[in-house]
Amino acid sequence: ETGVTQTPRHLVMGMTNKKSLKCEQHLGHNAMYWYKQSAKKPLELMFVYNFKEQTENNSVPSRFSPECPNSSHLFLHLHTLQPEDSALYLCASSQGGGGQETQYFGPGTRLLVL
Amino acid sequence: DQQVKQNSPSLSVQEGRISILNCDYTNSMFDYFLWYKKYPAEGPTFLISISSIKDKNEDGRFTVFLNKSAKHLSLHIVPSQPGDSAVYFCAADNQGGKLIFGQGTELSVKP
Repeated sequence: ETGVTQTPRHLVMGMTNKKSLKCEQHLGHNAMYWYKQSAKKPLELMFVYNFKEQTENNSVPSRFSPECPNSSHLFLHLHTLQPEDSALYLCASSQGGGGQETQYFGPGTRLLVL
Repeated sequence: DQQVKQNSPSLSVQEGRISILNCDYTNSMFDYFLWYKKYPAEGPTFLISISSIKDKNEDGRFTVFLNKSAKHLSLHIVPSQPGDSAVYFCAADNQGGKLIFGQGTELSVKP
């Protein structure tokens, strides 16, 4: 596989469930990102990892917990979510190290919280 | 307060004509700008970018213009093709990989 992949593509969960979103990049990049896109809203940056270290948490509620075990994989652990958390969750990667970098996105996970 | 704005939610253009998508920003510290294209059920695909030290960047049918004094950038697609129909997002890099996105403009190219 090439590029940035995300699984699952669709997820329906109840408010008491725990689930995880997975992202994998095959581009040799060192920075990975989680974004949220709610209906009719711009993409919002959630978390940034550079060389496996979290460098940005954009005031995200603790019911979202990211994990970056290595430069190729990024997870978003979901726990006791709310219906308003229903959205498209996008993962992206870039070269890393700062500077003017292009981010490459995965196809996203469409999440519905009931 | 939105720092990157795309004020036109939609645009309809005839095939073969020019499409012009606009984007305004408020933060003069932004130093890198990108355009992405998004089809339904897919992630955004990178199209073209421009550094704040330039005022124009061209790649095939796509040209991005940057007017720093007006804090405005635009994407020109010429000639437009039906396959260009998608949602286009502009994004600004807030120095260090933190992209701030506009709301998107849905482009429809009619045959």
